[in-house]
Amino acid sequence: ELHLLESGGDLVQPGESLRLSCAASGFDFPNYAMSWLRQAPGKGLEWVSAISGRADNIYYADSVRGRFTVSRDNSRNILYLQMSGLRPEDTATYYCAKDAPRPFDFWGQGTLVIVSS
Amino acid sequence: SYELTQPPSVSVSPGQSARITCSGSALPKKYVFWYQQKSGQAPVLVIYEDTERPSGIPDRFSGSSSGTVATLTISEAQVDDEADYYCYSTDTNNKSVFGGGTRVTVL
Repeated sequence: ELHLLESGGDLVQPGESLRLSCAASGFDFPNYAMSWLRQAPGKGLEWVSAISGRADNIYYADSVRGRFTVSRDNSRNILYLQMSGLRPEDTATYYCAKDAPRPFDFWGQGTLVIVSS
Repeated sequence: SYELTQPPSVSVSPGQSARITCSGSALPKKYVFWYQQKSGQAPVLVIYEDTERPSGIPDRFSGSSSGTVATLTISEAQVDDEADYYCYSTDTNNKSVFGGGTRVTVL
């Protein structure tokens, strides 16, 4: 059974950093692209970042490029999102999702990040 | 920037059909994917590549696309289908875009 479990969400002040993790199980993690997406409270979905199975292709939304870094540890089946220079508008529930063979074909339950002073 | 436009809300009576549209200028050349998000839960893929249904998704969910408009149809809607529905596609530069979402109410 597929399972994705996000962790690392917290309340942080503007300008601070945070690292999110997503532990994957139930599928051959190294062979699948993964994405991070987010949803601000009461708002719609926004794609944040994507990484290929071997991490040789990485993409970012314009809103986070230069501040967020996606990575993965295929030996431990974990996806990461390092977030720096956090802003109030980054406040959201962050989801990891399996990104193949269809876009976002399986999602975790999300972790909440609040950026506030 | 590229946008996908959905109606904010759709209401349907139980047993009737609900249709949710998604409009975008690149849709004649790009696939549309549909996601269902029930309150407090993570999204679930219900339609991929315009018309295909993942395993486990009831056949009352169907998708179509014509020109710049894609449509998700929920036939014989049930109370359990109440949720927010989001379309997703990419622009001509393969940038990911979600529609604003449509809240479906079954009453």
